[in-house]
Formats: sequence, structure tokens, C-alpha cells
Amino acid sequence: DAKTTQPTSMDCAEGRAANLPCNHSTISGNEYVYWYRQIHSQGPQYIIHGLKNNETNEMASLIITEDRKSSTLILPHATLRDTAVYYCIVREGSNYQLIWGAGTKLIIKP
Amino acid sequence: DTAVSQTPKYLVTQMGNDKSIKCEQNLGHDTMYWYKQDSKKFLKIMFSYNNKELIINETVPNRFSPKSPDKAHLNLHINSLELGDSAVYFCASSQGRRSGNTIYFGEGSWLTVV
Repeated sequence: DAKTTQPTSMDCAEGRAANLPCNHSTISGNEYVYWYRQIHSQGPQYIIHGLKNNETNEMASLIITEDRKSSTLILPHATLRDTAVYYCIVREGSNYQLIWGAGTKLIIKP
Repeated sequence: DTAVSQTPKYLVTQMGNDKSIKCEQNLGHDTMYWYKQDSKKFLKIMFSYNNKELIINETVPNRFSPKSPDKAHLNLHINSLELGDSAVYFCASSQGRRSGNTIYFGEGSWLTVV
């Protein structure tokens, strides 16, 4: 079973920041938080991952709470092409698998 | 350049047939995976190979047999196809098996069994 919970769906206006929350209250010390997205009919696309510290790359920022029980993915300036299902995944340290949940369907509106 | 490529992208076949899906990665990774995405959109791991050695074999029917001729390739062969095998199959790869090693996915192979 997935170790994360996410809202089923969210809307965001084009050009605004999209903030996608994720709860992972049972995360253990060596487990990373990964974010992927899947645009319709395409393969999962890696976005970002982190362990403890906040992370930023060209696509997004990842904010992880100090207790590591939740995180937020931030798309700073959402575009229509960011419409997709976003998956927050806790990767098991010893098992190196990705256990996928249902994700959040993000719809960017003009 | 496509990092993880799968062929065919679409496959429609009859029950009872045998089919293969090929996967190649040009990232120089040593670990490759096959995932299955069902109609409810959940992705589940099927197999994983590290340096051509099978390291994960989830509970899948024996009709599914992965083959890794080298580190850059992991093919999926399916015997005696059934209706329930209809799904999207994703190949993926990573360098190393630790949780900090990012897994990259191919574009998927849509299998429809009729």
C-alpha cells in the first residue's frame, strides 16, 4: 500500500504557483520523498526528490516539514502543460521500489 | 535522445498469443524495471534487474518472463495472453538501487488483449 496521502484533485490558475500537498506521516529516516507526474498517455516524468532539506530544480521546489511527515511540491508559474496527475511517493530505503498511490489530478485553468 | 525507449508503443493481440515488449535505456544505468499500470491507474512493480541479475520478482504469473541480454536492455515476454493482461507496461531504469537513486521511465506500451 502507498505510504502517502494526497488530495484527489486540485485546480490552479495559469501563471500562479501550484502548491501540491502530501502527507507521509509514517516515513522513516532513510526514506526519500519523490514526486513524479504523468501527463495523459505518457510515461511518469520525474520532477524532484528530497530527504530532509528543501530542494529546488528547474521544474519545481520541494518543501519538506521539519518532522518529515508532510511535504509540498511547488510549481512556481503553472502553465497549461502542467496539467497532469502528480504522484508523491515515499521510496523504501531497503527495497528501492516506488509504491504508487492514486496521486493528485492537477488542472491548470486559463 | 530518448533515455528509456520501449517498443511497441501499442499492441493489440488475441487471447492465447505470445508477445514481447522490448526496452532499451541509453543512460548507462545498471538497474532496470518493469511496471504495470492497470485500469485504475495504479503502477505496480513487476520485475527488477541489476547488472542482468533478477533482484525483484513480484507476484506475477509465470507467463511473464523478463529477459536481460545486457545491462541496457530488459525485455518482457508474455505467454498465453489473457484478457486481464490488458494494461500499460512501463519500463524504467536507475543507476544503483538505493532510495536516493532516481528512477526514469519510458513512455509505456499499451497492450490490449481481445
